[in-house]
Amino acid sequence: DAKTTQPPSMDCAEGRAANLPCNHSTISGNEYVYWYRQIHSQGPQYIIHGLKNNETNEMASLIITEDRKSSTLILPHATLRDTAVYYCIVMPGNTPLVFGKGTRLSVIA
Amino acid sequence: SQTIHQWPATLVQPVGSPLSLECTVEGTSNPNLYWYRQAAGRGLQLLFYSVGIGQISSEVPQNLSASRPQDRQFILSSKKLLLSDSGFYLCAWSVLTQDYEKLFFGSGTQLSVL
Repeated sequence: DAKTTQPPSMDCAEGRAANLPCNHSTISGNEYVYWYRQIHSQGPQYIIHGLKNNETNEMASLIITEDRKSSTLILPHATLRDTAVYYCIVMPGNTPLVFGKGTRLSVIA
Repeated sequence: SQTIHQWPATLVQPVGSPLSLECTVEGTSNPNLYWYRQAAGRGLQLLFYSVGIGQISSEVPQNLSASRPQDRQFILSSKKLLLSDSGFYLCAWSVLTQDYEKLFFGSGTQLSVL
């Protein structure tokens, strides 16, 4: 019953931009796109979220397509500490978040 | 600033023994509270969430229960642990701002049932 589709794993060279895709073709108008990441043996960490517009904060940028059926999380200059599992979540507001399997990003020196 | 405390960090329990995991939040009032579990090699599973004292919603029927005796305290319990209860248990909190949720997670408890 997953609402999102993410590649199971990706590699990225240190210092390069990491672009993590997420497909959510059945997204509804009131559903947000959230991104979290989980470093091994730690709790997940909030990265960013968006509804319709592209968003940027100190950690990352979120690009949402105009039809909202897919999005991309961009880490502009990946470091080894960005190695983690990245979760893309689509949920309505005021609803507990349901995590899928995510994308395991490996940043390589 | 807000902080979340979760303990113990690791726990080894025999099958059939009871369980009590505690989570407390500081620096905020009336948070939404959550218990998630992550089995080895699997994703996070939402177990319980609470929007207020004494208000508990269960997402997965099982031998676990949750209670919220105080505004910023959330407890996960079991009367008799099963082998399948092993996993990484995470407490989280959020405050609804506007109409989206931003979760803050604790450091987790690694539970091994033997």
